[in-house]
Formats: sequence, C-alpha cells, structure tokens
Amino acid sequence: DQQVKQNSPSLSVQEGRISILNCDYTNSMFDYFLWYKKYPAEGPTFLISISSIKDKNEDGRFTVFLNKSAKHLSLHIVPSQPGDSAVYFCAASAADSWGKLQFGAGTQVVVTP
Amino acid sequence: EPEVTQTPSHQVTQMGQEVILRCVPISNHLYFYWYRQILGQKVEFLVSFYNNEISEKSEIFDDQFSVERPDGSNFTLKIRSTKLEDSAMYFCASSESDKVSGNTIYFGEGSWLTVV
Repeated sequence: DQQVKQNSPSLSVQEGRISILNCDYTNSMFDYFLWYKKYPAEGPTFLISISSIKDKNEDGRFTVFLNKSAKHLSLHIVPSQPGDSAVYFCAASAADSWGKLQFGAGTQVVVTP
Repeated sequence: EPEVTQTPSHQVTQMGQEVILRCVPISNHLYFYWYRQILGQKVEFLVSFYNNEISEKSEIFDDQFSVERPDGSNFTLKIRSTKLEDSAMYFCASSESDKVSGNTIYFGEGSWLTVV
C-alpha cells in the first residue's frame, strides 16, 4: 500500500542550511497531513501539520507546504541543527477516518557540522 | 508536557503465548490508537478506539488482537496467541478529539515485542 510516499530515504545537510523533505500521496480523500520526527527506539514526535484548506503552515523553524493539485507536500527546516538528525515521517489522514494515519517510509536526515 | 506512556518497553515471548501491552494515554484525550512498525517497514495503523468501542480497525487487526480500556486511565492491546510475524514495535497513541483541524495524534515511546 503506497498511498504515501517519501522517495528520498536519506538526506544530508550542513548545519545552518535548509533541509527540504518531500512527500507525495495518491489518495485524493486525504485532507490532513502531519510530519513526525523519530529517533531510534522512540515513538514518533509530532512536528507540524497542515489541513487541505491551507497551502502553508509555519511553526518556528518548520514550514510545511501543500500542493493539492500535485498531491505533494514538503517540510522545510531552517536553519538545520545537529539535533534535527532523525527520521522524518510524513503521514496523512482522511476526514472520515481521522485516526487512521497512513505513513510514508521516512527520510533519514543527517545534519553535519 | 503531557505524554503517552507505554509498558513494557521490551517484551520477549514464546510463540503461542498471550501478550498484553499497556498504555496510559494523555489524560484529557478521548481517542486512542495502536500502531505498529515491523523492523524495516512503515508504521502501520492497527485500531482506533473511542467511547469504549472500536471505531476502526485495519486488516491486520484480526481475531487474535483485542483492545480494552479496563479503567479510567489504561488502554491495553492483547495478542492472544503470538506468532513470529507479530514481532514489532507497538505504538500507543491518543488524540483529544476526532476533529481534523488543529488536532494531532501523540505517540508513546513504543513497546518492542519479540516473539521467539
């Protein structure tokens, strides 16, 4: 089941630079999208979300952009910090199935000094 | 910051044995979930629970699985007769409501289940 895809398994970025993580989805019923960060042996930690009525949501260093026509969203982290090194998951849900999140495979981000 | 807590953090069990994974959701949350992640695979939805009944379940959540809220604070996942393929990290999660806007789902640290 590939309803949510993160095609980049890994991303390396220098400290202070921008990290851009991408996510594509196929189910047009999805109307809410979330990004989670996960360290090894820990649970996913919520970062930021966006509903389909918006095309951008910003929270501190994190900004999520949604392009509904392309069924694409991205997470921008500016500036990247060493503590941002983790796996980032994109997740999506439909209004009639709110708690049933569909996750992407994740992108491993490594922030180098 | 309020958090979802899970016990045990790691459990090893023999195939065919029953396992109960326990969770304490965030106190004012009303919706509860179990997810799992098999090593190397995606995080997968298992079940959602509200008002003492299952709201939705995935095809993974067959008759071997059950959930319960035995008291006002705990939320449990029971696997009646474990199989090797049940080995995974199981995440409990909770949310304040089912409203999409402004809501989110918070996850616990996970319970790592190894079936031998």
